[in-house]
Amino acid sequence: DVKVTQSSRYLVKRTGEKVFLECVQDMDHENMFWYRQDPGLGLRLIYFSYDVKMKEKGDIPEGYSVSREKKERFSLILESASTNQTSMYLCASKPGGYRTQNIQYFGAGTRLSVL
Amino acid sequence: DQQVKQNSPSLSVQEGRISILNCDYTNSMFDYFLWYKKYPAEGPTFLISISSIKDKNEDGRFTVFLNKSAKHLSLHIVPSQPGDSAVYFCAASALGNQFYFGTGTSLTVIP
Repeated sequence: DVKVTQSSRYLVKRTGEKVFLECVQDMDHENMFWYRQDPGLGLRLIYFSYDVKMKEKGDIPEGYSVSREKKERFSLILESASTNQTSMYLCASKPGGYRTQNIQYFGAGTRLSVL
Repeated sequence: DQQVKQNSPSLSVQEGRISILNCDYTNSMFDYFLWYKKYPAEGPTFLISISSIKDKNEDGRFTVFLNKSAKHLSLHIVPSQPGDSAVYFCAASALGNQFYFGTGTSLTVIP
């Protein structure tokens, strides 16, 4: 079974803090993704990565950055947390290339509250 | 602009009956479609998918239908069970990597 592990299930941070969300996958997947989920808005893509040290902006990258130094790990960084970044953050991974079974596998999510 | 839309935020169905969840998309380049199921405080889990070369795919109680001309797909669950109560997201992709998700439909199956 594919396992995508997010380091924290719940986080509470203060406005202005730098926040790191960590994600590790164990299936040697090339692609990794960070989403946020908000009520009525579904899943919105923040950043994704095709390979080590590669990153691409998603639909809502403002206020976020990412790091992928190793293939199995993809980190989301909130440079200066704000209250509008309170959300559920979901990490996902997927094999690279275009294949018949084109499936993203998700972690359990991190519920971040910024006070 | 939302490229994948789920216009029904919620749906209630009696146990044993059919649940039909709908999804519309705008991008004619989408060639692969998926449904994910999400329980509270958990990540989405893959349920079923369909390629644009097909119009139907079945997996047990779950069937996905694709109508390319209408840019519409639907998920049928028959028979519905209380354990199916969850939020269902449809997603679409064009040539692989980035997925576009709908806003989700919360299904409640009433015992």
